[in-house]
Amino acid sequence: DGGITQSPKYLFRKEGQNVTLSCEQNLNHDAMYWYRQDPGQGLRLIYYSQIVNDFQKGDIAEGYSVSREKKESFPLTVTSAQKNPTAFYLCASSRTVNYGYTFGSGTRLTVV
Amino acid sequence: ELKVEQNPLFLSMQEGKNYTIYCNYSTTSDRLYWYRQDPGKSLESLFVLLSNGAVKQEGRLMASLDTKARLSTLHITAAVHDLSATYFCAVQVWETSGSRLTFGEGTQLTVNP
Repeated sequence: DGGITQSPKYLFRKEGQNVTLSCEQNLNHDAMYWYRQDPGQGLRLIYYSQIVNDFQKGDIAEGYSVSREKKESFPLTVTSAQKNPTAFYLCASSRTVNYGYTFGSGTRLTVV
Repeated sequence: ELKVEQNPLFLSMQEGKNYTIYCNYSTTSDRLYWYRQDPGKSLESLFVLLSNGAVKQEGRLMASLDTKARLSTLHITAAVHDLSATYFCAVQVWETSGSRLTFGEGTQLTVNP
């Protein structure tokens, strides 16, 4: 079955550490997205990529980095520059502009 | 900057009642999406509205889009407990770098017996 897989489901980060969240899709979707969700709030766009080897900053890109070396993969690195990284991170992909997004199951990141 | 506003943000209703959630947005778009999120879970796609006047229905939920008023509604008919969740609308916009969805804050719905 096709789908979008995020790992790990839970991640704990120490102060000053970089961590990488994985997002893989086998839907043959061109576009991929990373969103952050804080408790009781909506989703805010971090980065997005429409094609391989190209990506764009979203509304809250500071402290995050991404790469898109393969169509299937769009990993997100939360760097030590992100001062408040505790949140629920959702990866999504889409086929064309007339379709909504398919979301992964999310990664819950906690700073310890 | 695109703003997407939902109201109400919190909705507590009794089983069997009807209610409407509103989604207003601040820029021109003819693509709007509704999602459902259960606590601690990911987002599930409910409706894709692709043109002015579009209406979609699934079970007790019906969504509509008025692009001239920049308004979408999600109507709940004869609510049941299983509909308790958070509902998000999202507006699609196009930029030179591609398209993206901007989400509303979400409406947390609780259906009481």
